[in-house]
Amino acid sequence: GAVVSQHPSWVICKSGTSVKIECRSLDFQATTMFWYRQFPKQSLMLMATSNEGSKATYEQGVEKDKFLINHASLTLSTLTVTSAHPEDSSFYICSARETALSSYEQYFGPGTRLTVT
Amino acid sequence: SQQGEEDPQALSIQEGENATMNCSYKTSINNLQWYRQNSGRGLVHLILIRSNEREKHSGRLRVTLDTSKKSSSLLITASRAADTASYFCATAGNQFYFGTGTSLTVIP
Repeated sequence: GAVVSQHPSWVICKSGTSVKIECRSLDFQATTMFWYRQFPKQSLMLMATSNEGSKATYEQGVEKDKFLINHASLTLSTLTVTSAHPEDSSFYICSARETALSSYEQYFGPGTRLTVT
Repeated sequence: SQQGEEDPQALSIQEGENATMNCSYKTSINNLQWYRQNSGRGLVHLILIRSNEREKHSGRLRVTLDTSKKSSSLLITASRAADTASYFCATAGNQFYFGTGTSLTVIP
């Protein structure tokens, strides 16, 4: 149980276009989902916390108009990278926290590799 | 901002040896988790230790937690070449922050 999927696994897009990444909790409900990005050989950096039905909370330094997050249901959150540039190329990972748990356990998706050319 | 700092940043050992990685964090936590990540891949959850626990075992893994020192260690015993990966600690409170990671190389 507690499986989180991401789609797509990898995407290559041209500079200036927008890319949408989906994060789904497959067998549990997640009121909270998190989005991270990871540059090569670096750790994961929390970008934003997404709560179902409300606006996402962004970490300092993360542009909310560039990284649009929507958490419309208890099983789906999306991250849209708008007007992507090569510096947005990164590995994006989502995680989901199960509603019923109070132990703050999170389950991670397999990640989406974005390459902007 | 990141919560955890890990050391060493990189570690190279011979197969069969033990590997120890340390993690220090800054604020109070509910639990601390360790993950592994193979190059370019997603995260694999290894073990979770709650703030009221001091030590936990899972197979060849042993995790300790010292909340007074705000530190944790991950010990991998009898390492194997397949253990080569990056290892991250992550602290869980209201949010979830990852440490800087330790890159482990096990030489066959």
